[in-house]
Amino acid sequence: GAGVSQSPRYKVTKRGQDVALRCDPISGHVSLYWYRQALGQGPEFLTYFNYEAQQDKSGLPNDRFSAERPEGSISTLTIQRTEQRDSAMYRCASSSRVRDNEQFFGPGTRLTVL
Amino acid sequence: GDSVTQMEGPVTLSEEAFLTINCTYTATGYPSLFWYVQYPGEGLQLLLKATKADDKGSNKGFEATYRKETTSFHLEKGSVQVSDSAVYFCALSDLGGGSEKLVFGKGTKLTVNP
Repeated sequence: GAGVSQSPRYKVTKRGQDVALRCDPISGHVSLYWYRQALGQGPEFLTYFNYEAQQDKSGLPNDRFSAERPEGSISTLTIQRTEQRDSAMYRCASSSRVRDNEQFFGPGTRLTVL
Repeated sequence: GDSVTQMEGPVTLSEEAFLTINCTYTATGYPSLFWYVQYPGEGLQLLLKATKADDKGSNKGFEATYRKETTSFHLEKGSVQVSDSAVYFCALSDLGGGSEKLVFGKGTKLTVNP
């Protein structure tokens, strides 16, 4: 079956623009996670959802970052007024059950802010 | 808070050499432990996991044992192949601590030469 998909795979934007990154989890997976990975570092947690409910957004760095999952499936991570320091790989993962810590990752979106 | 410390890379080995990548953790609860692998140009894949003390996770010839007394989860393989060249990430998930997020180490890049 299909794995986690993310789009776009690459995004280049100018400082100050808004960007929206999409994640399509594995069909039927109830939990969805967003991580950010800087070059040479491990992924860092941003936020996660169980179904459509955002459970933990403690990793979002500031109020320019937001995420939604309105129907409990596809999720969008939005970054407003992008800055160069937002450049990173943004990774999405999903898991089949609540409190199931086996997460399946998508290929990531490489964001470059010029 | 929870954290993972893993051996700094890069690590370069010859084919059929023995591999150890060290990983230690700190956690407030009783975490599950994971090794993820990222092959060149691909996303993160779960390699193995262990959910309780003295459990041994294994896959593709790799092994790691959950050592609560030393808070460690070192990755080992008896004979590496060129195809094992990748970046390896140690991670934990502390569901008992109230969060479903994964906390990752910085990653260790392994290169295996023929």
